[in-house]
Amino acid sequence: NAGVTQTPKFRVLKTGQSMTLLCAQDMNHEYMYWYRQDPGMGLRLIHYSVGEGTTAKGEVPDGYNVSRLKKQNFLLGLESAAPSQTSVYFCASSRTDREGEKLFFGSGTQLSVL
Amino acid sequence: TQLLEQSPQFLSIQEGENLTVYCNSSSVFSSLQWYRQEPGEGPVLLVTVVTGGEVKKLKRLTFQFGDARKDSSLHITAAQPGDTGLYLCAGEFGGSQGNLIFGKGTKLSVKP
Repeated sequence: NAGVTQTPKFRVLKTGQSMTLLCAQDMNHEYMYWYRQDPGMGLRLIHYSVGEGTTAKGEVPDGYNVSRLKKQNFLLGLESAAPSQTSVYFCASSRTDREGEKLFFGSGTQLSVL
Repeated sequence: TQLLEQSPQFLSIQEGENLTVYCNSSSVFSSLQWYRQEPGEGPVLLVTVVTGGEVKKLKRLTFQFGDARKDSSLHITAAQPGDTGLYLCAGEFGGSQGNLIFGKGTKLSVKP
C-alpha cells in the first residue's frame, strides 16, 4: 500500500533557484493538500485542491504555486527559492472534506535553501 | 485568527508512567483530531472527536473533548517507549479540511 508518496525526500537549493515537489496518491482521493512544518510553528497549509484542475490558497501561499492536472498528482512549485522557505513539506490527501475526515500524509520533503 | 495551544511543549517520562497532554482554544471547534508523528515521517491520525463531552479510547490512550468543544486532552496510561513522538491536535472551524488548524504539538519522550 503506497498511500501518499512524496519526491524528493531531501533537496538543497541556492537562493533564486526553482524546483517542483511531487506528490502522488493511489487512493483515488478528491482532496489534496500541501503543508509546511517549521520548528515552533506547527503545520501550516500552503495550498490545497478540491479536485482535478482546481487549486485554492491556504494560510501561507506566497512564493508557491501548485497544479493538479491529474487527480492522483499534486505539484508544489517554488519559482525563486528563498531561505525563508527552508522547511519540511508534507503532502496530504483525503477522500472528502467533510468534518472529521481523515488526512493521509506523505513522509515529507526536507528542503534547505542556502 | 483561531489558535490552538498545546501543552506541555516537551515531556520526558519513564516507561510505565501516566501522562496527559492538552489542546486548548478560545474558539469552538466543529471537530478535533489527534495525530502522532514519528521522526522523519508524516503525521498519522489517532482519533477524531466531534461531540462535546465525548470520550474515546484507543488501547492505553484516552481522548476527551471538552463539553464546550474548546479543549481536548489525551491521556496515556503506562507509557511505553513506542509512544515516543510528536502529538499534534488539529481543530476544524468551518466544516472543511481547508479550515483545519494544527497546534504546535507536544514532543513526548518515553525512556525505558
